[in-house]
Amino acid sequence: NAGVTQTPKFRILKIGQSMTLQCTQDMNHNYMYWYRQDPGMGLKLIYYSVGAGITDKGEVPNGYNVSRSTTEDFPLRLELAAPSQTSVYFCASNAQGTLNSGNTIYFGEGSWLTVV
Amino acid sequence: KQEVTQIPAALSVPEGENLVLNCSFTDSAIYNLQWFRQDPGKGLTSLLLIQSSQREQTSGRLNASLDKSSGRSTLYIAASQPGDSATYLCAVKNNDMRFGAGTRLTVKP
Repeated sequence: NAGVTQTPKFRILKIGQSMTLQCTQDMNHNYMYWYRQDPGMGLKLIYYSVGAGITDKGEVPNGYNVSRSTTEDFPLRLELAAPSQTSVYFCASNAQGTLNSGNTIYFGEGSWLTVV
Repeated sequence: KQEVTQIPAALSVPEGENLVLNCSFTDSAIYNLQWFRQDPGKGLTSLLLIQSSQREQTSGRLNASLDKSSGRSTLYIAASQPGDSATYLCAVKNNDMRFGAGTRLTVKP
């Protein structure tokens, strides 16, 4: 059971380049999330998904796109990289059922992205 | 829109002290609240999960309480140790999941 797997772990991009951060989970979780964490700050929600085929914007979606074609995968795409997107990106997932359920959220190990 | 605030932003205590970290949130219609630990340059490790119908959860020296009506949670750490030094984050679950900025804890030997 691998949990939540993110790739790549480190990446340097030039301004204007595009790339996709991959995220996959093998726990059959319906909810998946992408966060960014800037130095010394908490996590800001970029996008989330409540199930395959459904995505929603979080707090800071501008400059990013996501898709959820399968339960397992939730890739995050940066179309035109900007220095402001230099950050650590975390993918996460959890199961969500009734109002009073909601299991522990599991995080990937993070992807360190630098835009120069 | 859910806002999550953690106080204090940083805390330094001598080894052995009991301490309390605070988390407040603006929208009480939550599914659950979780406390996490993050070590420098690392990912997040879940410490405690409190469902919306629960008042507290305990794990070893950690105890987390939840007062949903007032929008508050506390994380109590008993007999602190240098190994407890880390950033502690709380997160609340509505449809999405929002985090506070964290409390950076240093426990001095």
